[in-house]
Amino acid sequence: GAGVSQSPSNKVTEKGKDVELRCDPISGHTALYWYRQSLGQGLEFLIYFQGNSAPDKSGLPSDRFSAERTGGSVSTLTIQRTQQEDSAVYLCASSLDSLYGYTFGSGTRLTVV
Amino acid sequence: GIQVEQSPPDLILQEGANSTLRCNFSDSVNNLQWFHQNPWGQLINLFYIPSGTKQNGRLSATTVATERYSLLYISSSQTTDSGVYFCAVPRGSTLGRLYFGRGTQLTVWP
Repeated sequence: GAGVSQSPSNKVTEKGKDVELRCDPISGHTALYWYRQSLGQGLEFLIYFQGNSAPDKSGLPSDRFSAERTGGSVSTLTIQRTQQEDSAVYLCASSLDSLYGYTFGSGTRLTVV
Repeated sequence: GIQVEQSPPDLILQEGANSTLRCNFSDSVNNLQWFHQNPWGQLINLFYIPSGTKQNGRLSATTVATERYSLLYISSSQTTDSGVYFCAVPRGSTLGRLYFGRGTQLTVWP
């Protein structure tokens, strides 16, 4: 597509529920990234996919967080047993590869109540 | 880990004024990006500039990698330039992990 598409744009969930966030990168971009942005923490790296290589998961804050990228395209970020501290805007970006500038999606605002 | 410091944290300008935003980083890098986050939260990549100077309309950026800083220049500012400006550099040896500074909040008044 023309840009990076994220869905849903907003998600309100109850504490303890699981959520799935979707990212559809720009066609042909081999690199895909997930970040989150919250008031107290700024922009934090979560996970990075590059082509067929094993993803860099070093930024995932706990084992409740996981992500996959199917067919080198769409990615899903899953948060299990959500907690209130998971409330944030989750941003996805893609690039031609890691040596190129990022294009960010509009984000998913997650609120855990 | 690498430290990224942006200054000033806040900047208020009258429309038409020029400004310079600074990004200092603590370690050598081979990738530096500048982003603008508009008031609606959308992050736009302004420059990919590991070294040298680039210009795009009223915006230009210079990175002096040997001295570990980058500058973003905004000339003839407009109200649409308002928002937060971030610089970001790789974290560690993995190019895909960017570490973002805390940003400069720019407000341009008409």
